[in-house]
Amino acid sequence: EPEVTQTPSHQVTQMGQEVILRCVPISNHLYFYWYRQILGQKVEFLVSFYNNEISEKSEIFDDQFSVERPDGSNFTLKIRSTKLEDSAMYFCASNGGTSKNIQYFGAGTRLSVL
Amino acid sequence: KNQVEQSPQSLIILEGKNCTLQCNYTVSPFSNLRWYKQDTGRGPVSLTIMTFSENTKSNGRYTATLDADTKQSSLHITASQLSDSASYICVVRGSNQAGTALIFGKGTTLSVSS
Repeated sequence: EPEVTQTPSHQVTQMGQEVILRCVPISNHLYFYWYRQILGQKVEFLVSFYNNEISEKSEIFDDQFSVERPDGSNFTLKIRSTKLEDSAMYFCASNGGTSKNIQYFGAGTRLSVL
Repeated sequence: KNQVEQSPQSLIILEGKNCTLQCNYTVSPFSNLRWYKQDTGRGPVSLTIMTFSENTKSNGRYTATLDADTKQSSLHITASQLSDSASYICVVRGSNQAGTALIFGKGTTLSVSS
């Protein structure tokens, strides 16, 4: 069964450093999303992406964040200058194709900012 | 404010027993409601998705109900198995709401013991 894959599974970085989290959505999907989940808290929406542009973003998704679809398969989330409070699990999701409304989530990248 | 509240926060049941999880939401306008299962350290996996006009939907041993008038939903699990131990998250999608996409509840942590 096709799945959303995310790399790396765990990223450790120093405060102030830039990180790029990578996702490969399901191949025939057209809508892509990033979510985060701080430990012990609920999942929060960050951004959605369609037709090579951001379609929605939350208050969390400030100027420190950016997304890109650099080629036909990857979807990336960049955090320009990480803060301690950026430590969280980041989930990528995609939907489209025959199961249009169902978002399929990746296993997540655990980001630890020291 | 758009919110999704779930109860109970956690639940312990014996293998083979049934249980019901509750979800109340204040999201308006409403598009659809989803139940996800999230195993520890994994991304959420979709169980059911219901629109305004649907009252009940089943997926194997999982049955979800929706009362759009009272803005309540429930997830009933029958004949529980050890593998049902996970967090069950109620997620509501509003319509025409920029910056929200999916609104997640905090989840109910279910532990099934033998």
